[in-house]
Amino acid sequence: QSVLTQPPSVSGAPGQRVTISCSGSSSNIGAGYDVHWYQQIPGTPPRLLIRGTTYRPSGVPDRFSGSKSGTSASLTISGLQAADEADYYCQSYDRTVRVFGTGTQLTVL
Amino acid sequence: QVQLPESGPGLVKPSETLSLSCNVSGNSISNYYWTWIRQPPGKGLEWIGCVYYSGSTSYNPSLKSRVTLSLDTSNNQFSLTLTSVTAADTAVYYCVREPTGYIYGQYYFDLWGLGTLVTVSS
Repeated sequence: QSVLTQPPSVSGAPGQRVTISCSGSSSNIGAGYDVHWYQQIPGTPPRLLIRGTTYRPSGVPDRFSGSKSGTSASLTISGLQAADEADYYCQSYDRTVRVFGTGTQLTVL
Repeated sequence: QVQLPESGPGLVKPSETLSLSCNVSGNSISNYYWTWIRQPPGKGLEWIGCVYYSGSTSYNPSLKSRVTLSLDTSNNQFSLTLTSVTAADTAVYYCVREPTGYIYGQYYFDLWGLGTLVTVSS
């Protein structure tokens, strides 16, 4: 059972902004551990989108941004595009275990 | 370019042992934790564990009693063994790289293999 909770689905129209939340606890996000985000297009492996809560790896558009507050984190996608339609996972660290969120399916309307 | 091709049988019988290997081509393995992550069909991601080039390991407590990770540094290859498998172990298994130290974050995965589907069925 995942210790990081995400909404099962979110949606938005092209050009809009969407936010995906990731709710943790005092033993992971609340303990100060970084949150990372991955994008997974069905049939392909996950791709690192955000590391260290706010940092974008090379090649990731600046439309993607991350933040954290207390025991929760968020991924915001601005200027939504059809290519952004995918599953998104948050990930952190919890008492020696790397833990993932439950995953959120993003639909571009 | 670093690649992480996984290899192993796609079908394993219940109660038997699942064995997968991963080959790193194009780079040294000494600066990373080498990791296995799995994803049951239609479900989320689960961290299985990781091995460091020194041989030290860390496992998910939920699988620890059945999992062994090992590293062959001379051949740049690392492997996963999962014993007493059941249908619940049916998943795509990914070979994944985790940078050590703090580089714009820690405990994240920057390179993933394509994954290999393992089905547990008689």
